[in-house]
Amino acid sequence: QQQVKQSPQSLIVQKGGIPIINCAYENTAFDYFPWYQQFPGKGPALLIAIRPDVSEKKEGRFTISFNKSAKQFSLHIMDSQPGDSATYFCAALDSGGGADGLTFGKGTHLIIQP
Amino acid sequence: NAGVMQNPRHLVRRRGQEARLRCSPMKGHSHVYWYRQLPEEGLKFMVYLQKENIIDESGMPKERFSAEFPKEGPSILRIQQVVRGDSAAYFCASSPQRSSYNEQFFGPGTRLTVL
Repeated sequence: QQQVKQSPQSLIVQKGGIPIINCAYENTAFDYFPWYQQFPGKGPALLIAIRPDVSEKKEGRFTISFNKSAKQFSLHIMDSQPGDSATYFCAALDSGGGADGLTFGKGTHLIIQP
Repeated sequence: NAGVMQNPRHLVRRRGQEARLRCSPMKGHSHVYWYRQLPEEGLKFMVYLQKENIIDESGMPKERFSAEFPKEGPSILRIQQVVRGDSAAYFCASSPQRSSYNEQFFGPGTRLTVL
């Protein structure tokens, strides 16, 4: 059973556009939602994270929108650049449930065309 | 400050052999997590360790897989009698504290190929 569903699987956007990646979760105990960026041959690197007590968080060109009632959250990349081309993973954690591992979505391959 | 280090970066084994993957956490981090990434899949949590203790192995296959994090030296993920289905990228991550809202810093991964 996939606990975090991520879409789309792949996305192509023109430079300067705003790619949006969506994730939905099932476990209402999740209380920490990070986004990771992964380049080919590298490990994932944390981009931005949010807790469910806020509906939006912005860091630089990256924004997370969070909808607790719908159990959904999304990543927006403003003024996207070719260097943003990478695979993006959403993840979730139940910090109080004794589970220490992040639950990841399947990833979105993002290509920003020049 | 060096990041999380993993070696080898690439490992090729024949079916039935053993694979040993090593992970050195970031300086000052005593919490290590192992994840497996199959092609076109997200990362799947396997095990969480602190020095000399396995804290959470809920994602670890019951057979052939084991992990340790000794008092001295790197954390080791050991896969005995490898099969083709073990081919994947194995990532370890570390954190300074138990991972409640704490960032897990990932290493570059070990890509295991089983022939």
